Amino acid sequence: DVKVTQSSRYLVKRTGEKVFLECVQDMDHENMFWYRQDPGLGLRLIYFSYDVKMKEKGDIPEGYSVSREKKERFSLILESASTNQTSMYLCASSQQERTEAFFGQGTRLTVV
Amino acid sequence: AQRVTQPEKLLSVFKGAPVELKCNYSYSGSPELFWYVQYSRQRLQLLLRHISRESIKGFTADLNKGETSFHLKKPFAQEEDSAMYYCALNRRHDFNKFYFGSGTKLNVKP
Repeated sequence: DVKVTQSSRYLVKRTGEKVFLECVQDMDHENMFWYRQDPGLGLRLIYFSYDVKMKEKGDIPEGYSVSREKKERFSLILESASTNQTSMYLCASSQQERTEAFFGQGTRLTVV
Repeated sequence: AQRVTQPEKLLSVFKGAPVELKCNYSYSGSPELFWYVQYSRQRLQLLLRHISRESIKGFTADLNKGETSFHLKKPFAQEEDSAMYYCALNRRHDFNKFYFGSGTKLNVKP
């Protein structure tokens, strides 16, 4: 059974804090993604990685960075959290050849 | 750039009625389209993809390249179909990135 696991289900952080969201997949997938999910806006791609240490900006990378030191782990970093980053964050992974994406359960982040 | 458009935020139908969730896309390459579904308190999961040309849970979707559409259809909606539905485009020539629409909430009333 394929598995994408996000480290936290709920997170509350203060404005200005540095926040780390972690995602681990056990399927040996090359591609990993971070999205934010907001009502009426759907899923918007923040960052994407197609290999260890490789990353590509998505549509809304401002205020975020990522790290992929190992194939199975993809971290999303909020350098200085702001209230407009309150959202549901979804991690996903996929193989290069087989293009179906598998999703984590999501992390609901609230910045106060 | 708007790559996937789902014009309806909410679609309410009665049980047994036909349902069609609309999706239009823009992509100059060869598109690969998907429908994902998110039931209440569950993770997003694949419902079907255009390549498979299969019916899942009674749902079908046909890729119409002329109209750049990939509408999701079911002839007789069931209450358990109530969920959030997302149309997604995979850009094969752009590192296989996935782009999603804004989603349509389907509410099937008893």
